[in-house]
Amino acid sequence: ETGVTQTPRHLVMGMTNKKSLKCEQHLGHNAMYWYKQSAKKPLELMFVYNFKEQTENNSVPSRFSPECPNSSHLFLHLHTLQPEDSALYLCASSQRASTSGGSSYEQYFGPGTRLTVT
Amino acid sequence: AQSVTQLDSQVPVFEEAPVELRCNYSSSVSVYLFWYVQYPNQGLQLLLKYLSGSTLVKGINGFEAEFNKSQTSFHLRKPSVHISDTAEYFCAVSYYGGSQGNLIFGKGTKLSVKP
Repeated sequence: ETGVTQTPRHLVMGMTNKKSLKCEQHLGHNAMYWYKQSAKKPLELMFVYNFKEQTENNSVPSRFSPECPNSSHLFLHLHTLQPEDSALYLCASSQRASTSGGSSYEQYFGPGTRLTVT
Repeated sequence: AQSVTQLDSQVPVFEEAPVELRCNYSSSVSVYLFWYVQYPNQGLQLLLKYLSGSTLVKGINGFEAEFNKSQTSFHLRKPSVHISDTAEYFCAVSYYGGSQGNLIFGKGTKLSVKP
């Protein structure tokens, strides 16, 4: 039990569909993150929310739209995706995100959503 | 640019043998260092972390790592592996002055423990 849950665990969608990924953390943390994990590539940070405010967007295409209604919930809305967007999407949380890097706060990860775009 | 290099993408080893997974990072500034493990169909779990103090860090499941500032390395070791250690291992670095989100990950090393 990592304290971070993600639903659904698996998702297959067509390029014209709209779907959402959900993440919930039960750890009392204030920062939440979305990562993309593709085969043979390092983990890619997509978005960071710190105290519900988006503080990082790593040049992610607009077909990915995050939403953080409170410190415990994080969504990733998906629309008109491409096949190359197929990957494992991981959510994580931590005590807080540092404003200048160099954070000692451990990130806790959810099990991920395996997304396949057809 | 700051980066993390895991020199071996795959490491096969027999059960009860020792193992070392290598990690190097590129930076001359202060860093925090982490090792995470990912079992099949699961998220990442923290094994250990170096923040300051003793350069030898002990983690869960019998793993340990040594911070070497001069060589900018943080290699992970275990003296005797078990079948259950089969997983992918990720080294991650947090740099002072880096972006929020904080962690830069290596590409991972797949450890395969054979009976």
